[in-house]
Amino acid sequence: LAKTTQPISMDSYEGQEVNITCSHNNIATNDYITWYQQFPSQGPRFIIQGYKTKVTNEVASLFIPADRKSSTLSLPRVSLSDTAVYYCLVGAGNTPLVFGKGTRLSVIA
Amino acid sequence: NAGVMQNPRHLVRRRGQEARLRCSPMKGHSHVYWYRQLPEEGLKFMVYLQKENIIDESGMPKERFSAEFPKEGPSILRIQQVVRGDSAAYFCASSPTGAPTGMQYFGPGTRLTVT
Repeated sequence: LAKTTQPISMDSYEGQEVNITCSHNNIATNDYITWYQQFPSQGPRFIIQGYKTKVTNEVASLFIPADRKSSTLSLPRVSLSDTAVYYCLVGAGNTPLVFGKGTRLSVIA
Repeated sequence: NAGVMQNPRHLVRRRGQEARLRCSPMKGHSHVYWYRQLPEEGLKFMVYLQKENIIDESGMPKERFSAEFPKEGPSILRIQQVVRGDSAAYFCASSPTGAPTGMQYFGPGTRLTVT
């Protein structure tokens, strides 16, 4: 059973900001929140990771409220090449990851 | 620093044959995880190994499937007497010991087709 819940799909136009929210009500104290991106026929690729508050890197931002029961991945100014499936996962240490179905983002020109 | 490597990238087997999938983790990583992905589905955990030991095989079918991670060489996922339902993409991931954040690095996958 997946530990996270996220929308099945989202559509966006090029140049817009996209926010994908993930629920993880039963997140454990030592769990981190990690987002992966997967293109067809490729392995998941790490995008961003955080524990609390806000994290930003060159690709995305991750917003985590104080209760950590949800998180939001923000992709600024998406392009067609951002069309992919995005997975939100929680976990810590050397434990297997539990994937849900992810969010299928379609970027339209 | 090479990432996780998997080979072959594509593998075609007839029903009843054996399939061997190889995974070389990132340098310095001693933890290996195998996941299976069916079309339009998320990845499903199969087995977690550390050098020479199986730590967790709760996601692996009891029959026909086995995995190893020897002291030297890559990790091997072996599927005996393949059936059409084994057709899927198999991904390997690795992580270093003591990684607190749970992050894993994924390989490109092996796409198995059973005819």
